Amino acid sequence: DSGVTQTPKHLITATGQRVTLRCSPRSGDLSVYWYQQSLDQGLQFLIQYYNGEERAKGNILERFSAQQFPDLHSELNLSSLELGDSALYFCASSVSGGGIDTEAFFGQGTRLTVV
Amino acid sequence: GQQLNQSPQSMFIQEGEDVSMNCTSSSIFNTWLWYKQDPGEGPVLLIALYKAGELTSNGRLTAQFGITRKDSFLNISASIPSDVGIYFCAGRDNYGQNFVFGPGTRLSVLP
Repeated sequence: DSGVTQTPKHLITATGQRVTLRCSPRSGDLSVYWYQQSLDQGLQFLIQYYNGEERAKGNILERFSAQQFPDLHSELNLSSLELGDSALYFCASSVSGGGIDTEAFFGQGTRLTVV
Repeated sequence: GQQLNQSPQSMFIQEGEDVSMNCTSSSIFNTWLWYKQDPGEGPVLLIALYKAGELTSNGRLTAQFGITRKDSFLNISASIPSDVGIYFCAGRDNYGQNFVFGPGTRLSVLP
């Protein structure tokens, strides 16, 4: 158990809908990262938050947004969903936000299926 | 942007054999991480490397931080069936705020 908790584990929704994925980082970790993994693909970095503020942005669509709350949990919002958004969405957390050698620990992921 | 390449893309080995895989980058990294992912699960951190030339072991796994700081290697000795999975490398430089992941090496172990 990495200590990173993601909910829900599975989500099935229709095209055009909006969903929210939730992540609770490990205790003491200030940084949260979101990744998308499509079938048999690598991990695509979406966005990073550090202590409540956006720190880095990757290949995140405009239909997607995220935030990190004062208690450090994070939510990834996906709207106007398309079939191609079906993927595993992973959250990872680390102690620092960058510039310091550290490790990132992953949650179990949320499997999103858009039908 | 930064990109990592991993080789081989996939490999089939016999149980008991040793495995070697590597990860290369076009830019210098100051941190290298190796992860293993089982189907439908999140990546699990195997080994973290922080200094050029560093050699670190975790059981049957050994990883090295390349001297040029542009590559890293992972070796698995005496493979067993539960070693099956996808192995990802990830790196971060002094300026990057996030971890860049390689495309993965898919390992299959034949009994």
